[in-house]
Amino acid sequence: GAVVSQHPSRVICKSGTSVKIECRSLDFQATTMFWYRQFPKQSLMLMATSNEGSKATYEQGVEKDKFLINHASLTLSTLTVTSAHPEDSSFYICSARDQGKGAFFGQGTRLTVV
Amino acid sequence: QKEVEQDPGPLSVPEGAIVSLNCTYSNSAFQYFMWYRQYSRKGPELLMYTYSSGNKEDGRFTAQVDKSSKYISLFIRDSQPSDSATYLCAMSGTGNQFYFGTGTSLTVIP
Repeated sequence: GAVVSQHPSRVICKSGTSVKIECRSLDFQATTMFWYRQFPKQSLMLMATSNEGSKATYEQGVEKDKFLINHASLTLSTLTVTSAHPEDSSFYICSARDQGKGAFFGQGTRLTVV
Repeated sequence: QKEVEQDPGPLSVPEGAIVSLNCTYSNSAFQYFMWYRQYSRKGPELLMYTYSSGNKEDGRFTAQVDKSSKYISLFIRDSQPSDSATYLCAMSGTGNQFYFGTGTSLTVIP
């Protein structure tokens, strides 16, 4: 199946700093990528839809100034958590749709803010 | 009413059993149906992808879609302890957005 690579898999940062998470589609082009957040033993919560060459579409309740999304190319989307706080600690996952084959997920990034 | 309903379980079966996982949905526009397996602290892994109604088999896994009943199933034959994970159903229409079930936690006991 198609491959989506997410980096880093784990990051620990200090409160008040920013963290960037990268999501790459390795063998297909993705005009749209999705960013999710997942709390322990809960399902995926869609944060935003990332569109190549245009602004991301954020879900209700997600702060766009805090979670900056950039989709600069057909194979790369980035999520930057700005001025991170302990409550931002979570598991963040990206996905991309390969037309005709479904949606593929990255490995996820576990963010811990201390 | 949620777009997609999935029994969260937990479901516990003995090794070798046949597992049946199900989801129901309300939007008749959904055409693409997927099942994912997610191990703890990992991203979901696509297991099955089907379009419209019918069955699809891949090894020990069989996906069924009944659009008339708005009901999809995933069957796992000869279940193994390594199948212990959370299984998510997902579906979409012609647009880009996907709709996920809440996931069913499965434990296969050796």
